[in-house]
Amino acid sequence: QVQLVESGGGVVQPGTSLRLSCAASGFPFRTYGMQWVRQAPGKGLEWLTVISNDGRIRYYADSVKGRFTVSRDNSENMVFLQMNSLRAEDTAVYYCAKEGTWLHIDHWGQGTLVTVSS
Amino acid sequence: QSALTQPASVSGSPGQSITISCTGTSRDVGGYNYVSWYQQYPGKAPKLMIYDVSNRPSGVSNRFSGSKSGNTASLTISGLQADDEAVYYCSSYTYTSTYLFGTGTEVTVV
Repeated sequence: QVQLVESGGGVVQPGTSLRLSCAASGFPFRTYGMQWVRQAPGKGLEWLTVISNDGRIRYYADSVKGRFTVSRDNSENMVFLQMNSLRAEDTAVYYCAKEGTWLHIDHWGQGTLVTVSS
Repeated sequence: QSALTQPASVSGSPGQSITISCTGTSRDVGGYNYVSWYQQYPGKAPKLMIYDVSNRPSGVSNRFSGSKSGNTASLTISGLQADDEAVYYCSSYTYTSTYLFGTGTEVTVV
């Protein structure tokens, strides 16, 4: 079965960086695009970024463009989210997600909490 | 990139049907048949309920159905049950190859 396990969350100060990781298993990783979605405490879902199966194509939400970078390692079945210049409003649970056959998310990780606070 | 618009809450009695709307624009919901719906319980990750407007993944009850008209997509839950109480989000692919989520709808079974 599909498993997505995020790690790397924690408490960081504003202006600093953090790198999230997502370990994938249970499916042919290199075949599928991957996404990151976040959810601020008590708020709705916010789409952040998508990376194609081969890592060549990436798109970002305006709210994180230029600060966040998605990458993947198909040899290790891992996807990453590098987050720079973190702000208080980046405080959220960050979900790693697998794309379905076409243009939707069909599986989600359990999420990792990032808290940006001084 | 404004979120898609959903009603904040919808309620119904057990056995009834309810419909949740998701309104976007011609650049997202109206322009593509790539609308999906997710169910989320408190403290849990979302779960895919509908994809490509009206397709149900394996294992999702046929009480859940999706449709679209113009810039508005809809999720209908028929035969409402207590464990349908959750927050539901729509999502759509957009003309910039990004995605948008809806504002979320809390479903209450009264």
